[in-house]
Amino acid sequence: GNSVTQMEGPVTLSEEAFLTINCTYTATGYPSLFWYVQYPGEGLQLLLKATKADDKGSNKGFEATYRKETTSFHLEKGSVQVSDSAVYFCALTINQFYFGTGTSLTVIP
Amino acid sequence: NAGVTQTPKFQVLKTGQSMTLQCAQDMNHNSMYWYRQDPGMGLRLIYYSASEGTTDKGEVPNGYNVSRLNKREFSLRLESAAPSQTSVYFCASSEGRLSGAKNIQYFGAGTRLSVL
Repeated sequence: GNSVTQMEGPVTLSEEAFLTINCTYTATGYPSLFWYVQYPGEGLQLLLKATKADDKGSNKGFEATYRKETTSFHLEKGSVQVSDSAVYFCALTINQFYFGTGTSLTVIP
Repeated sequence: NAGVTQTPKFQVLKTGQSMTLQCAQDMNHNSMYWYRQDPGMGLRLIYYSASEGTTDKGEVPNGYNVSRLNKREFSLRLESAAPSQTSVYFCASSEGRLSGAKNIQYFGAGTRLSVL
């Protein structure tokens, strides 16, 4: 079947720290991969995407690389800000969307 | 540029009451979705509509019904609410259901529902 597994949270970091949120997937076929972000009280917003192996998605300083050999799509940012505090969801689509359970990130000044 | 609009934003129901959650999108998207979000469980698909006139069950359809009223609107109905349906409900839309760039989903701000 198709599924997404992402690292458990919550994650608390100091401002300017390096961020990694792990995401691995299982898929029958060749999915597209996404990271969505949910700020408090809001719906999910697309953060970045990658549609084929070795693609790198990037946006707002966040990056993730589609690794077919390890079935992974880890989210990274070199220097987090307080405004990055949110819940991050990894997702894949292959005729239907499958979301991970979300990882809560809190960045403290 | 409204995107996906959900109403109401908050609702409290008593067990057994019924209600309809409304969703409308102004992006001329073909596909629309209803999810529920529960702590520790991420988003789970309730129903979706791949195109106007069609609806299909998702992962957790029991206790819900949907109507794709037209291309813009997709409503979710709880006929007899139960405490287990306390959740945050999100509507989403996408241009298509195929893999790739056209399957980016755009979400509404959510409806927070409590069933007492």
